Amino acid sequence: QQQVKQSPQSLIVQKGGISIINCAYENTAFDYFPWYQQFPGKGPALLIAIRPDVSEKKEGRFTISFNKSAKQFSLHIMDSQPGDSATYFCAASAGTYKYIFGTGTRLKVLA
Amino acid sequence: SAVISQKPSRDICQRGTSLTIQCQVDSQVTMMFWYRQQPGQSLTLIATANQGSEATYESGFVIDKFPISRPNLTFSTLTVSNMSPEDSSIYLCSAGGQGGGNTEAFFGQGTRLTVV
Repeated sequence: QQQVKQSPQSLIVQKGGISIINCAYENTAFDYFPWYQQFPGKGPALLIAIRPDVSEKKEGRFTISFNKSAKQFSLHIMDSQPGDSATYFCAASAGTYKYIFGTGTRLKVLA
Repeated sequence: SAVISQKPSRDICQRGTSLTIQCQVDSQVTMMFWYRQQPGQSLTLIATANQGSEATYESGFVIDKFPISRPNLTFSTLTVSNMSPEDSSIYLCSAGGQGGGNTEAFFGQGTRLTVV
């Protein structure tokens, strides 16, 4: 019940394309859903986050779509660029800064 | 945003020895955590570092193996004790609760540990 399931494990996208990463959860107590971006040798950095009271949040080329009834959320990267090549983690928390992380998606954007 | 510094950034240690990792935050935070990230894997929470009291460990992690200190609101240490090659991993410090409406948890750059 504490798990956050993430897919796909890896993703290859052409430059300018849309990258889509999906996550699903079981624990209905989760109330905060961040996405982190991690480059090799670096710590994770917050990309965008959403709470269950909204269905979509957009920041620049990054959009989170949230489906509360299905307990699913996804990250969409529009106009993907080679500089977006990184590992992306979804996460969830229940009222704290303590996160349960998904298994990660390694994104490669081809030039 | 908070800036988190970890020391050392990497180390190679002999099995049976211990390593202490330091985490310094540039502002006071209410919460500090330690995560482990095995190569190519996700992040797993080791424990919550509680200021002035014993850390709260997650299932599968014990104080004798991973003693944690948090003497104040900006600093914490994690010790990896009696190391074995299975402890080779990246250890990450995280902090949250800066106040001012900030809801983000920040991460350090990690400590890459190799046990030989």
